[in-house]
Amino acid sequence: GAVVSQHPSRVICKSGTSVKIECRSLDFQATTMFWYRQFPKKSLMLMATSNEGSKATYEQGVEKDKFLINHASLTLSTLTVTSAHPEDSSFYICSASTRGYNQPQHFGDGTRLSIL
Amino acid sequence: AQSVTQLGSHVSVSEGALVLLRCNYSSSVPPYLFWYVQYPNQGLQLLLKYTSAATLVKGINGFEAEFKKSETSFHLTKPSAHMSDAAEYFCAVSDLYSSASKIIFGSGTRLSIRP
Repeated sequence: GAVVSQHPSRVICKSGTSVKIECRSLDFQATTMFWYRQFPKKSLMLMATSNEGSKATYEQGVEKDKFLINHASLTLSTLTVTSAHPEDSSFYICSASTRGYNQPQHFGDGTRLSIL
Repeated sequence: AQSVTQLGSHVSVSEGALVLLRCNYSSSVPPYLFWYVQYPNQGLQLLLKYTSAATLVKGINGFEAEFKKSETSFHLTKPSAHMSDAAEYFCAVSDLYSSASKIIFGSGTRLSIRP
C-alpha cells in the first residue's frame, strides 16, 4: 500500500534553533500534503494544506512565518519550525494524497519535537 | 461547518468483550466519515471509511461501523476485544473524499483492554 515516510521520528534541540521535518511519499505522487499538530492526549489539529508547487494554505491561528512549509516536488514536503521555543514542543504528523476523486490521505508516523 | 464528537475519552473493556466507541457528527453536507487508530508515538492508520455506499462498513482487524443518518452517528464496534486493540481511536469527517479536502478529527477515545 501507499507509504509516507516522515523524518526524523524524534528530535530534541535547544530553544532558538530551527528544525526541519521531512515528509516523503515513497510510492505515489503526493499532489497534496497536510501537516497536523497533536498535543499530548489531544486530537490532531490541521496546521496547513500544501499543494505541489503552490504556497501552503494555513489554518486560522497558525503562524506562517513560524511554521514554514515547502512542497517543491511531488514526493517531498518539509515543515520548518523557525526559532523554536518550548511551547512548540509537540507531535507533528504529515499526510499525503494524490490527485483525483476518492483518493485517501496516507499518514506518516509522526515526529516528536522537544525544545529544551 | 463539520465536526465530530466522540463520547468518552477513555473506554475500558475486558478481553473478549464487545468494543463500542461512540461518534456523532455534524455536517451541513453529506459527510464522509472515517475511523483511525493510533498506537503510541505513531501516525494514524485507517480502520474504515464511509463514503455514502453501504451504511454498515467493515474495516480491518474485525472492526465495523454503522452510519445512521437519523441519529447522526457512526459508532465503531468489534465483537471481541483483543489486547492488541489497545490504542487511541479517532473518528473523523470530511465533506469530499478527495485529495483537497480537510479531515476534521474528533478528540479521540483511548481504548484499554483488561486481561
